[in-house]
Parts: sequence; C-alpha cells; structure tokens
Amino acid sequence: DAGITQSPRHKVTETGTPVTLRCHQTENHRYMYWYRQDPGHGLRLIHYSYGVKDTDKGEVSDGYSVSRSKTEDFLLTLESATSSQTSVYFCAISESISNQPQHFGDGTRLSIL
Amino acid sequence: DAKTTQPPSMDCAEGRAANLPCNHSTISGNEYVYWYRQIHSQGPQYIIHGLKNNETNEMASLIITEDRKSSTLILPHATLRDTAVYYCIVNAGGTSYGKLTFGQGTILTVHP
Repeated sequence: DAGITQSPRHKVTETGTPVTLRCHQTENHRYMYWYRQDPGHGLRLIHYSYGVKDTDKGEVSDGYSVSRSKTEDFLLTLESATSSQTSVYFCAISESISNQPQHFGDGTRLSIL
Repeated sequence: DAKTTQPPSMDCAEGRAANLPCNHSTISGNEYVYWYRQIHSQGPQYIIHGLKNNETNEMASLIITEDRKSSTLILPHATLRDTAVYYCIVNAGGTSYGKLTFGQGTILTVHP
C-alpha cells in the first residue's frame, strides 16, 4: 500500500473553531490532493498541490485553505469550521497527472457540531 | 473529462467472475479509463487503468472496446472481500490537473 497517513482519523469540534487536517506521504510523489466525500455527492476535489508551495483550488474550495511546505506534508485548514463541512476527508497522492493513478489515504472523519 | 455510466448494482457468486461494465461514449483520444473501488468507510483503492489496449494485473483485467466507448472490469474469481462500490473514471490527466471525477459507481455484492 502507498505510504499515506492522515491525521487525525476522527475529530469532533464546534462551529467556528479552526481545524487542520494533515496528510503525510513517504512516496516522494509530487502531486497531492484533498477530497471530501458526502452522501449523494461522491468524492469532490477541494485543493491540490503540484509541488512544494504550489497549490491550487479544486471544485469545492470555499472555506478551505491548504499549505505544502515540504514534499511529504499537505495540510488542509478550515479557518472557521461550519456544520456544512462535516464530512469524510481523503488525501490522495500521485507521481504524475498523466497515466498514473492516485492513491488514497484512509480518510479523516470530521464532525462539526 | 468524459462522463461515465455504470449500473447502480450487481451481484456475483463467490468464486465466479465479476464483470462490471462502464459506458464512456464521449471519451476523447487522450483520456485514460481508470477503475477504483471503495470498501465501506475506507479510502478509494486503485485497481487498474488503460488507454486502448486490454490490461491485466494481479487484481483484475480491463477490457476496452475497439472504439473505446465502453469497458469492462473483470474480477476473475470474486471473493466476499470484493464486495465494494466500483468506480469507472475517465481522465486526461494533464488537461484537468489529474482531478478524478467520481460518479455513483456500481455496488458489487459478492454472495456465498
């Protein structure tokens, strides 16, 4: 299995608090992604990174920010969490965006009360 | 990225081959076909991908029609652990920064 670790695996927090999710990889892959998965919506891309300090928005980026200061770490931050951000968050990595698959972590289940 | 169409659910007997179809009639020449699966509450797992030739790996085989408008994922000897949601995705990579668009997939149930 691809070396991807997401932390925390579960988190419960209150509306308005900041939350940071971490994705750590040991594969030295250039591309990293954050998705969220909600019933009826499948997986949707939040942000992605194509290198250290190089990030861009996905289709559901409002309310989220990301940072990548090292190849191995990609952080997703909810500056002020809202109940609509209750979801399961998956990180993925890829060696290339052409002809290479993405490999996913085990997910973080986030509940915002 | 091209849209895909999959049956919402399928059943398969344990030990038999599971053949999961996918239609992607609007696929363009540079788009690959990827298959993933997701077992309840786990992250999606990559299975196989291809462009136009049939592909086989230790998990499955991928058969792509000559016109590339449809494909079939074959699990040669399904087990109970293959019960999952299977996603067929077409992706051009470079033109869409690698974004994967997951549809509703096919719920495969393998029964004893």
